Amino acid sequence: DAKTTQPPSMDCAEGRAANLPCNHSTISGNEYVYWYRQIHSQGPQYIIHGLKNNETNEMASLIITEDRKSSTLILPHATLRDTAVYYCIVRVASRDYKLSFGAGTTVTVRA
Amino acid sequence: ETGVTQSPTHLIKTRGQQVTLRCSSQSGHNTVSWYQQALGQGPQFIFQYYREEENGRGNFPPRFSGLQFPNYSSELNVNALELDDSALYLCASSLDPAGDSPLHFGNGTRLTVT
Repeated sequence: DAKTTQPPSMDCAEGRAANLPCNHSTISGNEYVYWYRQIHSQGPQYIIHGLKNNETNEMASLIITEDRKSSTLILPHATLRDTAVYYCIVRVASRDYKLSFGAGTTVTVRA
Repeated sequence: ETGVTQSPTHLIKTRGQQVTLRCSSQSGHNTVSWYQQALGQGPQFIFQYYREEENGRGNFPPRFSGLQFPNYSSELNVNALELDDSALYLCASSLDPAGDSPLHFGNGTRLTVT
């Protein structure tokens, strides 16, 4: 699986949009981009995933660049409950369903 | 829709002992994976079960073993516990082993080995 690069930490203001970048410059054509987050003492929570097109759900939006070498997760209106470690993961859809978690980005939402 | 549930939530064992952790997959999910998360690190893949067989394994020794039952629930067994086995053990389920369906995680079992 391709490696991802994320900033180790970022702060954002409550009520504002949070834009979380992820670099995956070695991604291959059949690898999906997944985003998970982990709030302290809980299991990772699935947020969103995509292959080529931008995606949106009730939690967030995922913007993937045309060359697929980077993506941005957007939390439209951050709340204090969005404080968590956010993981960007790329994965081939195959029988071996292994998610390779890196260090992620620690996001702190401040009032 | 019932999510992934794990038991127990916390466990303390002594070095050399054996432990069994349990997981009930999310309704409709037939694939179960286990991950180990040491303090301050991201989760590490242990193995995956589909149709009651292991079909993927990470870099963990054979003393880590598992089972999947016909109802898709699963167990993780660890023999000859070592101090470094202290970690949060996460179970995750998905609709199928292939495709792009996401994994859904439980809240884990916190294992402490003394």
